[in-house]
Amino acid sequence: GAVVSQHPSRVICKSGTSVKIECRSLDFQATTMFWYRQFPKQSLMLMATSNEGSKATYEQGVEKDKFLINHASLTLSTLTVTSAHPEDSSFYICSAQGQDYGYTFGSGTRLTVV
Amino acid sequence: GENVEQHPSTLSVQEGDSAVIKCTYSDSASNYFPWYKQELGKRPQLIIDIRSNVGEKKDQRIAVTLNKTAKHFSLHITETQPEDSAVYFCAASTYFTGNQFYFGTGTSLTVIP
Repeated sequence: GAVVSQHPSRVICKSGTSVKIECRSLDFQATTMFWYRQFPKQSLMLMATSNEGSKATYEQGVEKDKFLINHASLTLSTLTVTSAHPEDSSFYICSAQGQDYGYTFGSGTRLTVV
Repeated sequence: GENVEQHPSTLSVQEGDSAVIKCTYSDSASNYFPWYKQELGKRPQLIIDIRSNVGEKKDQRIAVTLNKTAKHFSLHITETQPEDSAVYFCAASTYFTGNQFYFGTGTSLTVIP
């Protein structure tokens, strides 16, 4: 079956620094990847949709200069949280969709900004 | 865009009883409705899904019903067990490759032994 790997699973960073989160589809080509943010006891909020080789489409209210998304290949998308602040602390989770595979979630990244 | 509402936000049932979670959606173009179970700190796991050409689907103790006219769909869990305790999310999408899912607000289900 489809497997999506997400790293790191947990990261603690200092305020003002940047953090990169990777999302890889291990056994299929992901034509589209989605990035979600989830606050405790809340739902998954779509941040952006990325297609390989093109710019990501951000949801309303999501700062594209703060949350940089790169989808350079059919198996890898990255989310970089730039100049992180404590309010960026959250659970970030990616999902990947391929032509022959449905929607598969990564394992998530718990980001804590101190 | 799509707006998915989910009720209730919390649900407690006795072991062995049934649990029902309901969702409504706004976009009549949505034609794919998955349900996910998420345990704390883990990725959502697909438990069942239904497409718009089907009114009901069942998989052992789990069933989903869809009413396209009313734009609502429901998750039914029978003979609940403590391991069913988790947060459940419904979602709606136009199931073409590259289309995003819109999630409901989640239901925290607790099954009391």
